[in-house]
Formats: sequence, C-alpha cells, structure tokens
Amino acid sequence: IALTQSPGTLSSFPGESATLSCRATQSVSNNYLAWYQQKPGQAPRLLIYGASSRATGIPDRFRGSGSGTDFTLTISRLQPEDFAVYYCQHYGSAPDFGQGTRLEIK
Amino acid sequence: QAQLVQSGAEVKKAGSSVKVSCKASGGTFTTYAVTWVRQAPGQGLEWMGEIIPVNGVTNYAQKFLGRVTFTADESLTTVYLDVHSLRSDDTAVYYCARVPGNWGAPAWFDPWGQGTQVTVSS
Repeated sequence: IALTQSPGTLSSFPGESATLSCRATQSVSNNYLAWYQQKPGQAPRLLIYGASSRATGIPDRFRGSGSGTDFTLTISRLQPEDFAVYYCQHYGSAPDFGQGTRLEIK
Repeated sequence: QAQLVQSGAEVKKAGSSVKVSCKASGGTFTTYAVTWVRQAPGQGLEWMGEIIPVNGVTNYAQKFLGRVTFTADESLTTVYLDVHSLRSDDTAVYYCARVPGNWGAPAWFDPWGQGTQVTVSS
C-alpha cells in the first residue's frame, strides 16, 4: 500500500484550522492508519492510531477521521507548537509512510 | 512511561559496518516488537523492519534484506541494528520504536528513540 499526502506544504495562521489528507492506493485494512508529528531535530511523535484514536496526552484539537483509502487529520485552533511536519502511516504487514505534509506559519 | 534510549552518533567509512543500540529504559520489551525507521537528510521516514526480542523473530523490508541485521540481547532490554557494506546513501538518522502489539501484531510505533545519526564518508 502506498500513501500520498496532500498538500505538500500548508500555510496557515495561528488560531485557524488545518486539514491534512492521506490517500492510500488500496483499502487500509482494519483502519490501521496512524499520524505522527515531527519537529526539526526531534523524533516523530504519535498523534493518532486506528485512524481516529488520539494517543495519550494528545489534545483534542487533533482529530483523525476516514476509512478505506481516504484519511484526514484536522487540527483546530492552531497553536505555534503545531507547526511541524506530519506523516501518515499504515501499519499492516509492510508498514509504510506518506511523504509528509509541512505545516508552516503564514 | 516507556522510553527508548539509542546509542550515540557514528561516522563510518564506506564499505564498513555500523551497530546502533536501542535500550528500553526502566523495563523490558516484553512481547512487543521493536521496529527500525531511518530518515535521510531532508527526506521522509523509511521503514526498515522489526524484531520481536522475546523470540528473535525478524521481518525485514525487502529493500534491506541481506544488508541489515536486527538482534536482541538475552535480557530483552536492548535491541541492535547492524548495517553492513555502508554506502554514502546510508547517511541518515536511524530511529527505533516500540510496536505495542503482542507477538508482532500490527500496531503503531510508540514511543520512539531519540535517533542516532550515522554518517558515511567515502
């Protein structure tokens, strides 16, 4: 399964909402889809698993949705610390990542 | 809260090998798998494979078959990544992460180690 994320770069103002997309070449079984946030010089951090379940300590401003081949990460009320690169990942038999979406401050 | 602590940065010559360690701080990996992911400079995340430390079962991504080896120590607290025949395009940050699914069941990656920079010079 290959994952394509869009857009490549998203520019938003703090306080706005951002919508990030992840599309799979075939259906992701059991919604085995996760989202990660990565800031410069840091390891990725798990945000969402099972397409819509928030990881421990992740604020409810982060919402994952979708099923099948189309998934979305929505970040509401953008905070300065939210500007980072976001990756989607399927974790089936051969896990793979999307190429990432860079969320930058407008 | 489980934490993974990786070994320090390495600079290696092309054609040599490198060994990176990943230690579970404060406990063992129990029946969970540990996965390895690398990130070349300015690039995305690339899955390399995984090992279940308790039984040594491994699963390598096709691209890395025969060139990387995952091992675990008997205490089940540390896993190792060996990369052989290093090339310049192996220059990357290498991450380990726990896969919280029992006995290799599909699961997300959490937590992650802090990463180990491996630089390959010619």
